[in-house]
Amino acid sequence: NAGVTQTPKFQVLKTGQSMTLQCAQDMNHEYMSWYRQDPGMGLRLIHYSVGAGITDQGEVPNGYNVSRSTTEDFPLRLLSAAPSQTSVYFCASSPRGPNTEAFFGQGTRLTVV
Amino acid sequence: AQKVTQAQTEISVVEKEDVTLDCVYETRDTTYYLFWYKQPPSGELVFLIRRNSFDEQNEISGRYSWNFQKSTSSFNFTITASQVVDSAVYFCALSPERGNTGKLIFGQGTTLQVKP
Repeated sequence: NAGVTQTPKFQVLKTGQSMTLQCAQDMNHEYMSWYRQDPGMGLRLIHYSVGAGITDQGEVPNGYNVSRSTTEDFPLRLLSAAPSQTSVYFCASSPRGPNTEAFFGQGTRLTVV
Repeated sequence: AQKVTQAQTEISVVEKEDVTLDCVYETRDTTYYLFWYKQPPSGELVFLIRRNSFDEQNEISGRYSWNFQKSTSSFNFTITASQVVDSAVYFCALSPERGNTGKLIFGQGTTLQVKP
């Protein structure tokens, strides 16, 4: 019963490096999202997708790319890591329809030095 | 503009006290959903409750209760007889656009510390 799986759980990057945070869900959910959590700011939406092949920007998209080639996977790419991207990243999925809730992964703690 | 405000940054209580966490939201949508999530020290996000904008009935689940008032745009959360295990960060969130839960708007979170 995996739910939403994020890898890795922890990552340290040097400024300027690129990497991909992986997110996979096995619930056949149509909606998937990426959030970042920073102290005192709650969770802020980076990018989201309402289905395979469809993505859109959230509140803080700069410095991040996403793609959704399958229903199951929604990777988040950091193009050139910056210390300001040090954060905890959460992936979420939810089924289409109003009477649902989002299911979250365990989070990825990213440090950019 | 869509916004969720949790004005209480940190709350500290002694075990068995009742505590209320405040949540105020802003939206122009007539149909929307409100949520509460709990984030224990282990870091995961745990869903607690969902409420739609047409249902203003209060809800009780064990020691937890929620008070939704559209007139004041508030969705407050009360823990009765708090326990140490309730220590966590609690987030209130809004799902605009007819419940598109792919785009949650979160409040800043309230850190609750329950001391033995």
